[in-house]
Amino acid sequence: GENVEQHPSTLSVQEGDSAVIKCTYSDSASNYFPWYKQELGKGPQLIIDIRSNVGEKKDQRIAVTLNKTAKHFSLHITETQPEDSAVYFCAASDRDRDDKIIFGKGTRLHILP
Amino acid sequence: DAGVTQSPTHLIKTRGQQVTLRCSPKSGHDTVSWYQQALGQGPQFIFQYYEEEERQRGNFPDRFSGHQFPNYSSELNVNALLLGDSALYLCASSLPTGGFGYTFGSGTRLTVV
Repeated sequence: GENVEQHPSTLSVQEGDSAVIKCTYSDSASNYFPWYKQELGKGPQLIIDIRSNVGEKKDQRIAVTLNKTAKHFSLHITETQPEDSAVYFCAASDRDRDDKIIFGKGTRLHILP
Repeated sequence: DAGVTQSPTHLIKTRGQQVTLRCSPKSGHDTVSWYQQALGQGPQFIFQYYEEEERQRGNFPDRFSGHQFPNYSSELNVNALLLGDSALYLCASSLPTGGFGYTFGSGTRLTVV
């Protein structure tokens, strides 16, 4: 089955700087890659996603890139703000086969003042 | 528009007992997935329900069972609780396969003592 590796597990960046979180996946059939943000006491919230027919997608300060050949995908957050502090999860799914989403172990992002 | 609602928010049970967790999906969603999230880990897929049937299942023992009702709400049952079952249990709803993105509830924090 699918296995998603995520790193780093913890990331501290100065407010205003950029943050990058990287993930790899094992199943070449995976074709949907969502990113979730989880704040304390809440469930994960979808912040951006990318499909396998797209190499890059951007939404304001957040961007995702996908390299299908290398089975890598990354989350980029620019101009970080205090409210970006949270745990971020990458995930992968084969939407043609089933609806199951497999998550990485998460990255705890700290935005330093 | 209500999102995904889970109850209860917190629960303490004794080892060997049984527990039932409940989930109401987001309006318009008819597929419900359950995840277990241990402290500091990513969500682990338990199973998914669609049209009142278990459509797929993750690597969890038969002690974990579920049900989906005609109104799309769902229950997760865990029998013979173990200390290791202590976790945050997340319910996510979505459109049927072909739709993209889960909407998560805030979870039920289960503590087994």
